[in-house]
Amino acid sequence: AAGVIQSPRHLIKEKRETATLKCYPIPRHDTVYWYQQGPGQDPQFLISFYEKMQSDKGSIPDRFSAQQFSDYHSELNMSSLELGDSALYFCASSNGGRGTEAFFGQGTRLTVV
Amino acid sequence: QQQVKQSPQSLIVQKGGISIINCAYENTAFDYFPWYQQFPGKGPALLIAIRPDVSEKKEGRFTISFNKSAKQFSLHIMDSQPGDSATYFCAASRAAGNKLTFGGGTRVLVKP
Repeated sequence: AAGVIQSPRHLIKEKRETATLKCYPIPRHDTVYWYQQGPGQDPQFLISFYEKMQSDKGSIPDRFSAQQFSDYHSELNMSSLELGDSALYFCASSNGGRGTEAFFGQGTRLTVV
Repeated sequence: QQQVKQSPQSLIVQKGGISIINCAYENTAFDYFPWYQQFPGKGPALLIAIRPDVSEKKEGRFTISFNKSAKQFSLHIMDSQPGDSATYFCAASRAAGNKLTFGGGTRVLVKP
């Protein structure tokens, strides 16, 4: 079965650079969520989109932005990167209209040096 | 403020033993409670989930017990195996398909 695809899997950036993370949801899933997980921490909700509209917002820094495109894939744009942004970033998808469970991708490990 | 509190932080159990992880929540608007299993460097994988109208749900070796009045729920892993060694997260949301609020996680180590 198709799963949530995230790219890239690993990313190394310098401070103050920008990064773009991509998420391709499970086919026919219309909702994507972004989570940030620091070392030894639980995933923290950043932002979500349903049918290409922002549906909820969590603890996402103003330096970050995201959007969902017409094919339902989503991108998380991160600017002015800081050392503290180093984390695993997970995307999850669900069929929001049917209220189904969320399934997570394998994540993108971002390292800011 | 942690809306979902999870304990213990870590757990060591012998092969064949029972692993028990507990969670408590504050927000009475939560009505969907999943458990996720996560291996190092991997994404959380949904194990089992429960809604408040059910007090217990079993899937294979995994059982969720739910106490709505106490706002607590727990995961029991029966006949624990070394392959079960992972971090387990409880979570809660207002409905399936809504954002998840995670507990702090429990690192389980099953010794052979």
